[in-house]
Amino acid sequence: QSALTQPASVSGSPGQSITISCTGTSSDVGSYSLVSWYQQHPGKAPKLIIYEVDKRPSGVSNRFSGSKSGNTASLTISGLQAEDEADYSCCSHAPSSTFDVVFGGGTKLTVL
Amino acid sequence: EVQLLDSGGGLVQPGGSLRLSCAASGFTFSNYAMIWIRQAPGKGLEWVSVIGGGGGTTDYADSVKGRFTISRDNSKNTLYLQMSSLRAEDTAQYYCAKFPYSNSGYSGRYFDYWGQGTLVTVSS
Repeated sequence: QSALTQPASVSGSPGQSITISCTGTSSDVGSYSLVSWYQQHPGKAPKLIIYEVDKRPSGVSNRFSGSKSGNTASLTISGLQAEDEADYSCCSHAPSSTFDVVFGGGTKLTVL
Repeated sequence: EVQLLDSGGGLVQPGGSLRLSCAASGFTFSNYAMIWIRQAPGKGLEWVSVIGGGGGTTDYADSVKGRFTISRDNSKNTLYLQMSSLRAEDTAQYYCAKFPYSNSGYSGRYFDYWGQGTLVTVSS
């Protein structure tokens, strides 16, 4: 499958809100509520921050929220903080003859 | 506390082999499917291989099929990835990760814990 499409970079000032989009197709994002988001600081392991479109794991700040409309999923971070500066990647179920997930290309968030 | 510790990466020549390991702790390892995911320099994440909790079910990305073998030793709480016929395009940070649901195969299609990664560089 083709990778999901994310913007290469987004930026925002402390306290602002930003949204990162993740665009797939009607075969993946558009058909299933199985979108997840991962945060990755440089040199660190990815961390799950959103699963099943809009659910937050225990311990993840409620400043992080997820949503989906049609073939596009979105991650919104409100009240931006310096520590939010990281790479963010989306992932979706994508039915296939082999195992069936596809990732986005990742988005670098810069907190100005 | 769940911990996944990746190891085994390094520099290898094209055509060479390498075995990655992922030592797990803090959960009942045999109850959970596991996955290897890689990230090439400047690229997005890519799933490489998955294995069921018992080790009897496996799957591979087309890019590595026939060259990589995933396995696990539940008595040692360790996941492996045997890589052979390595190519330059296999150069990446390799992460092991855990599926979220016990005894539920690949349910959820997300990964709740990840290792810190191990770097594989294929170059002459």
